[in-house]
Parts: sequence; structure tokens; C-alpha cells
Amino acid sequence: AQKVTQAQTEISVVEKEDVTLDCVYETRDTTYYLFWYKQPPSGELVFLIRRNSFDEQNEISGRYSWNFQKSTSSFNFTITASQVVDSAVYFCALNSNSGYALNFGKGTSLLVTP
Amino acid sequence: EPEVTQTPSHQVTQMGQEVILRCVPISNHLYFYWYRQILGQKVEFLVSFYNNEISEKSEIFDDQFSVERPDGSNFTLKIRSTKLEDSAMYFCASSETPPASVAFFGQGTRLTVV
Repeated sequence: AQKVTQAQTEISVVEKEDVTLDCVYETRDTTYYLFWYKQPPSGELVFLIRRNSFDEQNEISGRYSWNFQKSTSSFNFTITASQVVDSAVYFCALNSNSGYALNFGKGTSLLVTP
Repeated sequence: EPEVTQTPSHQVTQMGQEVILRCVPISNHLYFYWYRQILGQKVEFLVSFYNNEISEKSEIFDDQFSVERPDGSNFTLKIRSTKLEDSAMYFCASSETPPASVAFFGQGTRLTVV
């Protein structure tokens, strides 16, 4: 069975602080894919990043960075110098060769205040 | 940039009525999906559809649900006899070849059953 755990339900930070959103996953498959999606208050789901299980290189995109560690089954997401527009619910998700479905975590609600 | 579009954005229906939610996937994508998100909860997989047939479905997708690709562009989700607990945001998504390909989501249809 596959499982994604986002232990942080809500995080509140002040603008310009750095914040890390945790994601821990479980899967028996050796080939799998990890994703982060953002859900702003308007409700849509916006794709942020995909990582496959064979690529543990960390990735940086502007103020966003992702730390993938197979040894701890984690795929954490850091926002540097947070901004009010980063306020949203962030979902970590997992997919693998055993099916078509994306398995989502419960999400972390991030509130960035001025 | 290509996107998945869903109509309507919000639908209110009476318990026991049939509803059809509509989606136009990204044109060169081959796989289509429906997910739902009950208010404040995680995003849950309902069904995937490929080559005019269901490729995978969850236990949520029971006999009251059906999907169809009535023409070359639309993809629909029908709920035959709505219940109060069907109230949720329904997301359509599409992708190239899973699990590696990114699933891009529409903006969602908020279904309210009264």
C-alpha cells in the first residue's frame, strides 16, 4: 500500500521567513514519482514539481527548493523568504508503476502574514 | 499554455437528482481522471480513463458514478442519484502516460447537494 504523510496541518509564518513543509511517503515499489501541488484560496490545484525515485538531486526554482532523501523516505519543500502570495494549502503526492492514481497527503495549510 | 477546463464552476442540486460534470482535457493527453476533495480534506482519486474505458477506479467510485468521453474533446462524470455526502469539489485532470507524466488539474467544480 502507498501512503503519504504530511504531519504539519497548519503553519503560520511572517513574511520573509523561511518555511519547510514536510512530506514522508511509503511505497513498496522501486520506481515511483513524487509531486508537490499548490492549492491557493481560489481552489485550483497547481503543479509545482515532480521527482522520480532514481533522481535524488535536490532542486531549486527561485524561492522554492525541494530535498528528496530516499534514506528517510522524505520529500520536503522549502520556501525561502516567504511572501503573502505563498499562502495556500500544499499537497505532496505519490504515484508508481502499480497504478494510475495519485495518492495525496492531507496537505499543509501555510499562512504567510505581512 | 494548454489547460484543463471544467464546467460549471459551481453546481447546486437537490438530493436524488442526477448531475453531469464536464471537463475538456488538454488536447494531446491520453489519460483522464476525476478526483474529489471534500471540504477541508485530502484530494481523493475516483477514476482513470484511457482509450475509452476505465483503467482504474477507487472504492469511492461505485455504481452511482459513471464516466464518458462523448466526443473528441469532452470528458464527463455523471452522478446518478446525488446524496448529501457527494458534496465536494470535483477535479478533472489529464496526463500523457502515467505514472511518470504530470497530471494537470482543472479549476474544479464545487458540487453542493441540498
